[in-house]
Amino acid sequence: ETGVTQTPRHLVMGMTNKKSLKCEQHLGHNAMYWYKQSAKKPLELMFVYSLEERVENNSVPSRFSPECPNSSHLFLHLHTLQPEDSALYLCASSQEVGGAGENEQYFGPGTRLTVT
Amino acid sequence: AQSVTQLGSHVSVSEGALVLLRCNYSSSVPPYLFWYVQYPNQGLQLLLKYTTGATLVKGINGFEAEFKKSETSFHLTKPSAHMSDAAEYFCAVSAGSWGKLQFGAGTQVVVTP
Repeated sequence: ETGVTQTPRHLVMGMTNKKSLKCEQHLGHNAMYWYKQSAKKPLELMFVYSLEERVENNSVPSRFSPECPNSSHLFLHLHTLQPEDSALYLCASSQEVGGAGENEQYFGPGTRLTVT
Repeated sequence: AQSVTQLGSHVSVSEGALVLLRCNYSSSVPPYLFWYVQYPNQGLQLLLKYTTGATLVKGINGFEAEFKKSETSFHLTKPSAHMSDAAEYFCAVSAGSWGKLQFGAGTQVVVTP
């Protein structure tokens, strides 16, 4: 595997289900991100992890719970979601030096989530 | 705080014609600027970026962009459109703080024969 991979690619879940999204980066980067991409809305940054520590949580509802067990893996645990949470969830990684933000982010293909 | 405005949510261009996508930004500190492309059912792919130095930046697939500080712009161009350029394009700005990118709303490009 190369780059950033995400599983599953598609997920349909009921409002009472619990599921998890998985992201893996094979680039040796030290920062990972979760984004939400909804129709008609700009990409929304949800969480930022640097060296496995969360450095940003953009006022995301608690029904989304991130986990970063090591620098290569990032999870997004989902529970009691709402229909408006249906979206494409993108994972990205980058190599950050001092948190300057000058390096590009590499994106995975995303997980298309539908909440019924 | 920073923000990005992309002018035009949809652009239609003839094959072989100039592609011009407009991006204006605001930032309280010197920005880092990026253009990404998203093809259907895929993630975002970097086209080019500006950090420091030369203000005309060349990217992949024949795209280039020019950073104009006085106009707070970072427009993307390609001299001759190809059918494979049909995609959605995003301008983004970063102003430090662990790579927090602020994305524009995106511009959907349609290429007609």
